[in-house]
This record gives sequence, C-alpha cells and structure tokens, in this order.
Amino acid sequence: DAGVIQSPRHEVTEMGQEVTLRCKPISGHDYLFWYRQTMMRGLELLIYFNNNVPIDDSGMPEDRFSAKMPNASFSTLKIQPSEPRDSAVYFCASSLTGGSQPQHFGDGTRLSIL
Amino acid sequence: LAKTTQPISMDSYEGQEVNITCSHNNIATNDYITWYQQFPSQGPRFIIQGYKTKVTNEVASLFIPADRKSSTLSLPRVSLSDTAVYYCLVGDMGSSGNTGKLIFGQGTTLQVKP
Repeated sequence: DAGVIQSPRHEVTEMGQEVTLRCKPISGHDYLFWYRQTMMRGLELLIYFNNNVPIDDSGMPEDRFSAKMPNASFSTLKIQPSEPRDSAVYFCASSLTGGSQPQHFGDGTRLSIL
Repeated sequence: LAKTTQPISMDSYEGQEVNITCSHNNIATNDYITWYQQFPSQGPRFIIQGYKTKVTNEVASLFIPADRKSSTLSLPRVSLSDTAVYYCLVGDMGSSGNTGKLIFGQGTTLQVKP
C-alpha cells in the first residue's frame, strides 16, 4: 500500500509569497496530522483532523497558517504571507484512529523562505 | 498529557545492545507507551508500543515495569543503520471520543559507531 504522500518535497520561495503544502493520507485512515520540525523547537503538532473535520488547531502558530481537508484523501497546509521564520520541515501523518494509534508519516516538505 | 523525559544522546558500537530509558511519572491509566524512530530527512517511523510488561517485535523490545512510570526500549545488536533519533511518547488510544493527541519531545539521538 502507498504510504502518506506529500508534495512538494522541497519548496524555496521569497518572503511574502503564499505557500501551499499538500498531503494524501493512507486510504482508510480517519486521522490526519500536520507537524512542523525545526532544530530549535523539535517536532511540533500544528493541527489534526478527524474524518476531515479539524479537531485541534491550537498548535497553529498564527493566522498566517491555515489547513483544510476537503475530502478523506487530501489535505493542504497554507501559509500566507510566508516569513523566513516559517522555514522548517513540514510533515503530514495519518492514523487509523487517533490517540496512541501508530501514525504513519510522509517524507516531509522542506520549506525555505528567503 | 503525560510528560516524558529521556536522555538527549547516547553512543554505542556496532553489535552492542542499546537500552534507552524514558521516564513518564504522570502516565495515566489509559495511556499507552509508544516509540518512534526518525532518520535524517525522513518522517518518524513507528517502532513499538506497549501498555505493561514486555513487548517484542522484529525490531525491538519494550520493557515496562509494574508501576509504568518508566519504559525501556531495547535494540539488540545495533548496526550503523540504527543511528537515528528515538522518541518516547505516552497517550491514550483515542477511544470514546478522546483523541489523546501525542506530543513529541526532543528524543534521544543514538549514534552507533563502527
């Protein structure tokens, strides 16, 4: 079975531009998670969805960040406008159910804001 | 959410057994203990999960004492390819509508030397 698929793998853009990260979860998984990883802060949970509905977005750093899940097989994380401090690796993960159920991570999107 | 504490880094040599201990003094009755492994430029990967006593799979063993306030991940006969960051997390299984989101700490960076 295909794992979690993220695109793009790398993104380099200038400050102020809109950035859209994409994620396709594993089919049949009800939960989808967005994480951000930096050297300074480690792996941070930004938001997660259950059955396409956002459950907890308390980790979203500010209003410039938004996430959607229009259907069970697709989610986006958008940053508008982007800033250099948003540079990080962004991971998407999915799990069959929530809680401690194993999460399956994608390979991440390495984002660089110049 | 139960807080976990684990060593920041460990060194080992090929062929040795490595034990990484994690303390979680505030673990709740419904919490499970889960370990993830992360290689550079990849997302975390589920290794093993347990509730009490001992769990073993093809990759590792997990030892959990009766009071469950700590756990030990055991990697038998490590190789260079086991060099990675290992995360210990606790959280419930998300049953009964409690999503029990997971919080990743800083993890333990294991360096295996030849």
